[in-house]
Amino acid sequence: NAGVTQTPKFQVLKTGQSMTLQCAQDMNHEYMSWYRQDPGMGLRLIHYSVGAGITDQGEVPNGYNVSRSTTEDFPLRLLSAAPSQTSVYFCASSEPDRGRPYEQYFGPGTRLTVT
Amino acid sequence: DAKTTQPNSMESNEEEPVHLPCNHSTISGTDYIHWYRQLPSQGPEYVIHGLTSNVNNRMASLAIAEDRKSSTLILHRATLRDAAVYYCILRVIYGGSQGNLIFGKGTKLSVKP
Repeated sequence: NAGVTQTPKFQVLKTGQSMTLQCAQDMNHEYMSWYRQDPGMGLRLIHYSVGAGITDQGEVPNGYNVSRSTTEDFPLRLLSAAPSQTSVYFCASSEPDRGRPYEQYFGPGTRLTVT
Repeated sequence: DAKTTQPNSMESNEEEPVHLPCNHSTISGTDYIHWYRQLPSQGPEYVIHGLTSNVNNRMASLAIAEDRKSSTLILHRATLRDAAVYYCILRVIYGGSQGNLIFGKGTKLSVKP
């Protein structure tokens, strides 16, 4: 299994540009999520999905859109990039909760710079 | 949301045990205690989790206080590879749905040879 993969690894955008960060997992996990990590900080939840066709907002959703048309893929769209969105973005997935806790698997991250 | 408090940083010598503390005084009865770690330039990785009883796995041990208001992650013999930021996280359950992980700033562990 490749686990959780993210593309691209690095990206530079100009203010106002849009782009999509890709995330895919091959573990048939129902739960997927996107986090951002700013320098010296912990991770903050942007959006999450508990299954195909279902998404919800996390702690910092403004400026980002998500969709979940398949179990495997969970892309994150930046609608109009702003310098405040300069960050490292991590995607994660886990097995669904069936009355027991779960372990999240994280991708390697995408380092985004907005100028 | 339930919050955790951890020291900003700790140091350890290689091959010695490390005890990483975490306070979570507002924990509720169904919140699980998770520990993740993040090596430099990598995504976080799961270390261990528990509810009430102490837990052991191949990576570490988790000691949970009887009142559940604090816990300690124990690395039995620190190696240079264990240098990372360690996050203590409460997994909050909302109405039976999946609980999201709320990350704090974590403890940066340095390991000296």
